[in-house]
Amino acid sequence: AQSVTQLGSHVSVSEGALVLLRCNYSSSVPPYLFWYVQYPNQGLQLLLKYTSAATLVKGINGFEAEFKKSETSFHLTKPSAHMSDAAEYFCAAALYGNNRLAFGKGNQVVVIP
Amino acid sequence: DTEVTQTPKHLVMGMTNKKSLKCEQHMGHRAMYWYKQKAKKPPELMFVYSYEKLSINESVPSRFSPECPNSSLLNLHLHALQPEDSALYLCASGSTGDTEAFFGQGTRLTVV
Repeated sequence: AQSVTQLGSHVSVSEGALVLLRCNYSSSVPPYLFWYVQYPNQGLQLLLKYTSAATLVKGINGFEAEFKKSETSFHLTKPSAHMSDAAEYFCAAALYGNNRLAFGKGNQVVVIP
Repeated sequence: DTEVTQTPKHLVMGMTNKKSLKCEQHMGHRAMYWYKQKAKKPPELMFVYSYEKLSINESVPSRFSPECPNSSLLNLHLHALQPEDSALYLCASGSTGDTEAFFGQGTRLTVV
């Protein structure tokens, strides 16, 4: 079964600083990978997805992620944090054609003014 | 229309009540999902419908009963719930065979 690891439940970052959220997957076959963001009392919004077309994926709100097969990783970055980036971020993975998304535990991002 | 719409946004129900959660999408997606999310936790898959047929039931208690009347609608019927069933219930949809899921805003359920 697919599993996704996100380390560090809470991540604090200063406004204007780099945002880095780590995600590792366990699969011998590269899965489809996603980053979702969730604001309080709302649903999940897709930030970006990897579907094997390109290893560097650009998403919404200035976020991007790089797929590294050798490291089984799909880390999320944003060069300069904004106060509006404070939210919960989930990494998820699934094999093509499999309707089960495996979620990581999530990272609560706090942006310090 | 790129939205998944869930109603109601909030629901408070007693343990003897019967209520239903509703979900609607008009993106032509043939896969629809119910997830349960507790506070500070990732969503947990409950049910998957593919072409209006139930394809995955993640061993969910029978007090939760899903229904897919047509390709645009998904319901979750609730009966005799427990306080520990209080959570955010998320509906999602996607293309069959594709793994990307579009989520609704959720229904915040409180069982008293």
